[in-house]
Parts: sequence; structure tokens; C-alpha cells
Amino acid sequence: KAGVTQTPRYLIKTRGQQVTLSCSPISGHRSVSWYQQTPGQGLQFLFEYFSETQRNKGNFPGRFSGRQFSNSRSEMNVSTLELGDSALYLCASSLGGSDEKLFFGSGTQLSVL
Amino acid sequence: GDSVTQMEGPVTLSEEAFLTINCTYTATGYPSLFWYVQYPGEGLQLLLKATKADDKGSNKGFEATYRKETTSFHLEKGSVQVSDSAVYFCALEGGGSYIPTFGRGTSLIVHP
Repeated sequence: KAGVTQTPRYLIKTRGQQVTLSCSPISGHRSVSWYQQTPGQGLQFLFEYFSETQRNKGNFPGRFSGRQFSNSRSEMNVSTLELGDSALYLCASSLGGSDEKLFFGSGTQLSVL
Repeated sequence: GDSVTQMEGPVTLSEEAFLTINCTYTATGYPSLFWYVQYPGEGLQLLLKATKADDKGSNKGFEATYRKETTSFHLEKGSVQVSDSAVYFCALEGGGSYIPTFGRGTSLIVHP
């Protein structure tokens, strides 16, 4: 069974640009969640989608948005990039119930110059 | 709100030493507790979990016991290996949120 796939693996952008990250979950998983990981803040929850609907949302500004398609693939978009958005962005998929094991991708390393 | 506090790292040990990584939590109700591990260049993987008080989760020689009276879920291993070098995250999930709350992670470095 293929794991969670995130693309691209690395990304370099400049301030003010926008970026789209992609996540393909494990087949059969209906929940996809996104996390931002930085050395200073650790792992911070961005949002979670379940069956194409945003079910949970973290405390990030509106510049961070996402969506989920009917095949459960998800995209995350960040507009008007700031230097502080440089981070490893991780997505995780699960079946979507409570206490479910999360399966993480290897992440997209975003650098904003 | 829910929160998880882990000991700060890095924790540096010699091979075959005993490992403890402390984790305490604050939550309403009775959350499920998890340890995830992140190897260099990879995403997180579930290491073990416990869903109720006094449960012991175990995997790959690692153990953690859900202690409700001390709101703790400390990770232990009797003899670490160089290959255990990674970042370890304690997490909880409760209240039907479907989303775990993670601690900030503890880096473990094991020397030969």
C-alpha cells in the first residue's frame, strides 16, 4: 500500500508570492490534516479535511487555506508569503475516526527568501 | 485547552543506556495518548499509544504507561541503539476533536 505522498519535496519562493502544496493520502483514507513544523514552534496544526469539508481549523491567518478533492487528495495554499512561513509542511492522513493513527508524509520544505 | 509538555532536548546517550523522555499533559476528560517518532528527513510515525488509564503502550522496545493520577505518559527504553536517534513527540487526542495536540518534540542522539 502506497504511503502518504507530498509534492514537491522542496520549494523556494520569495516574499509576496503564493504557493500550493499537494498531498495524496493513503488509499481509503478520508481525512487529511496539515501541520507546520518549525524549530521554534514545533508542530502546529493548520487544518483538517474530511470528505471534502474542513472539519477542524488551527490558529493561522487567512493566508493559509486548503481544500480536499473527491478522491481525498488535498492541497494547501499560502498567499502573500512572509519570511516566517519558511517551514516544513507535513500532511497526515487517517480513516477519520477518533483515536485513529495518523500516517504522515515526508513533508514539503518551504524556504521563503 | 489541551496541552502537552515534553522535556527539552537534546537528550544525548551512549548506546545501550536507559532512556526516559518525560511527557505530561493537560486535558479535559480522558484523552488517548500517543508517542510519535520522526527520523531525519521523514514524517512522523506512530510509535505507541494508550487509550485509558493504566494502559501500557509498547513497540520496538519502547514503553509508556498512561498515568492519570500524575497526568503523565513518559517514554522509556531499556537499551537504546544508534538507530533510535530521532525526534520523539508526545501527543494527546480527546473530546472528539479527531486532531491530536502535539508536544514540541524531544531530540534523542545516541552515540556508539
